[in-house]
Amino acid sequence: NAGVMQNPRHLVRRRGQEARLRCSPMKGHSHVYWYRQLPEEGLKFMVYLQKENIIDESGMPKERFSAEFPKEGPSILRIQQVVRGDSAAYFCASSPLIMRERGTEAFFGQGTRLTVV
Amino acid sequence: GQQLNQSPQSMFIQEGEDVSMNCTSSSIFNTWLWYKQEPGEGPVLLIALYKAGELTSNGRLTAQFGITRKDSFLNISASIPSDVGIYFCAGRGSGNTPLVFGKGTRLSVIA
Repeated sequence: NAGVMQNPRHLVRRRGQEARLRCSPMKGHSHVYWYRQLPEEGLKFMVYLQKENIIDESGMPKERFSAEFPKEGPSILRIQQVVRGDSAAYFCASSPLIMRERGTEAFFGQGTRLTVV
Repeated sequence: GQQLNQSPQSMFIQEGEDVSMNCTSSSIFNTWLWYKQEPGEGPVLLIALYKAGELTSNGRLTAQFGITRKDSFLNISASIPSDVGIYFCAGRGSGNTPLVFGKGTRLSVIA
């Protein structure tokens, strides 16, 4: 399966701990997007990265949240000192360099469901 | 920020019926996408629209990109039980800019 891979699928953390969510994009995709979905809600954009660069982080909280997409390895969304309000499903999507053409859309992973207890 | 209004929020229909849902935006989009999400899974792309007025089909699904570029609809014909799920519209301004999502339409099909 060459789709977007996210792990872990489920993550439970106690308040104050750190959560690390991983996303491996589809082969050949150099752009990664992170979205958060609260229960009964749509997906809300958090951050957009290319390899080694953050392009747009306008949807990501300024404190406790960070993201990276290193030259080698998966993209990581890191949440420090988690609080109950961080409980949500976090989805990663990847796309190729250029999305002007049909069939080159963003494809989503299965998500990581974070529960903070 | 940009917002999408998706309606209806939920639908309960009989198997075999047709379904229609739509999205409107306060701003113009260059691309409209429709995704389906099932419990515990990520969104799966159903239809992508790139041109104002474009009408595209994917099996029993048909979607249109509104002429004003501020709206789109999705129709499902002859619904079946496996159509159950949450359908999301999403819009994109230009290039690789991030998608803006609607809140979803929850579809239930009664056999």
